[in-house]
Amino acid sequence: DSGVTQTPKHLITATGQRVTLRCSPRSGDLSVYWYQQSLDQGLQFLIQYYNGEERAKGNILERFSAQQFPDLHSELNLSSLELGDSALYFCASSVDGGLGTEAFFGQGTRLTVV
Amino acid sequence: AQTVTQSQPEMSVQEAETVTLSCTYDTSENNYYLFWYKQPPSRQMILVIRQEAYKQQNATENRFSVNFQKAAKSFSLKISDSQLGDTAMYFCAFMGLSGANSKLTFGKGITLSVRP
Repeated sequence: DSGVTQTPKHLITATGQRVTLRCSPRSGDLSVYWYQQSLDQGLQFLIQYYNGEERAKGNILERFSAQQFPDLHSELNLSSLELGDSALYFCASSVDGGLGTEAFFGQGTRLTVV
Repeated sequence: AQTVTQSQPEMSVQEAETVTLSCTYDTSENNYYLFWYKQPPSRQMILVIRQEAYKQQNATENRFSVNFQKAAKSFSLKISDSQLGDTAMYFCAFMGLSGANSKLTFGKGITLSVRP
C-alpha cells in the first residue's frame, strides 16, 4: 500500500458526460501529480500541484481541469468525455514535488467511456 | 523539454538469468534524478531504483542495479537472478529540479517476461 488513495477504482460513463476523480496523497506529501495511461500513449503527464498551487502542466486537454484543496487532496475533472478518454488515470504524491524525492502512486482509476 | 526513450518494446529472460533494460534521455539540465518504475499486472506503479545525476556511483538495490552514463545520457537497469515476480512493464523516468521541470517524465516502457 503506497498510502495514496484514489477513488473510484473503476468508472464507466457515457460520451459527453463529466466525471471527477479524487486523490488523497500520503500524509505529509505536499505535491500531487496526475498521469493518464492509455494503451498507445504510455504514461502521459497531465498536471502537478504543490501545496495548492499549480506547478507544472503537461498535455492536459482543455476539457480537463484539476485542483488541489487546502487539505491537499486533489480532484481531476474530465468533461465532455470522448471514447478516447478511456484510460487508467494515476495520481502520485511526493513530499516536495521535486528535488528527486520518490513519487508514490495510487492504484489508479480505470475510466471507461462508452 | 525533457524526453525519455525506451527503444525496446519487450524482452524475455530465463529465470535466474541476468537482463539489461535500456533507457536514454535528453535534457539540458545538469542536475536531475532518474528512476526505474515497475508496473506488474496489478497496474500498481512501484519504484525500483533511483539515481541522482550528481552522484557518479551507480545505484544498487538488491538484485537491481543501474549503469548511469551521464555524458551519453544513458540509464540502463540490470536485473540479476531474474525471478518470475519480475515479470512486469518497466518504465524509465526523469525528474528535473526546477519548477516546471520537476515533473516525472516517463518513457514508453518495456514489457519484461521472465520464463520459468
